Amino acid sequence: AQRVTQPEKLLSVFKGAPVELKCNYSYSGSPELFWYVQYSRQRLQLLLRHISRESIKGFTADLNKGETSFHLKKPFAQEEDSAMYYCALYSGSARQLTFGSGTQLTVLP
Amino acid sequence: EAEVAQSPRYKITEKSQAVAFWCDPISGHATLYWYRQILGQGPELLVQFQDESVVDDSQLPKDRFSAERLKGVDSTLKIQPAELGDSAMYLCASQHDTDTQYFGPGTRLTVL
Repeated sequence: AQRVTQPEKLLSVFKGAPVELKCNYSYSGSPELFWYVQYSRQRLQLLLRHISRESIKGFTADLNKGETSFHLKKPFAQEEDSAMYYCALYSGSARQLTFGSGTQLTVLP
Repeated sequence: EAEVAQSPRYKITEKSQAVAFWCDPISGHATLYWYRQILGQGPELLVQFQDESVVDDSQLPKDRFSAERLKGVDSTLKIQPAELGDSAMYLCASQHDTDTQYFGPGTRLTVL
């Protein structure tokens, strides 16, 4: 069975500091991983997917198959980055997402 | 920009009552999902539709929950009777040919 683990429920950093949100997964096939974000009073939305290897709003995430991790990183956090972040594993054959429990990021001024 | 619509946004009901939630996906999106999100947890899939057909309802508590998408467009999720443990956010999402799911604003259900 596939599983996504986000070990930190809460994470606080100061503005301008680096931030890393951890995500580990278990999956028997070739994984497709995503980060979704939910800003206050907004709907859940896609932030980035590993397959496109893009940087969105300064965030990047690298898939490490050896460590089965997909950590989200940003070198200089901004206050507007404060939000709930969910790591998700996509099963292409079933077209289904399995979400982690989320990490609430707070960027302090 | 097209968005997934859900109503109502909030619903308070007493246990043993019936409740229904509605979802209108983005036009042309054949795949529709209903998720339940309990406070402090990530969304969990309840049911998945492809057009009007149920693809996966293995996590749907079928003794009290039902879902339909009669014309392959909008969808309704029903709970009858509601129980205290059903209090949660109910999210709808739709997907086209790509792997991106687009989420609605959700319906927050409180069962008293």
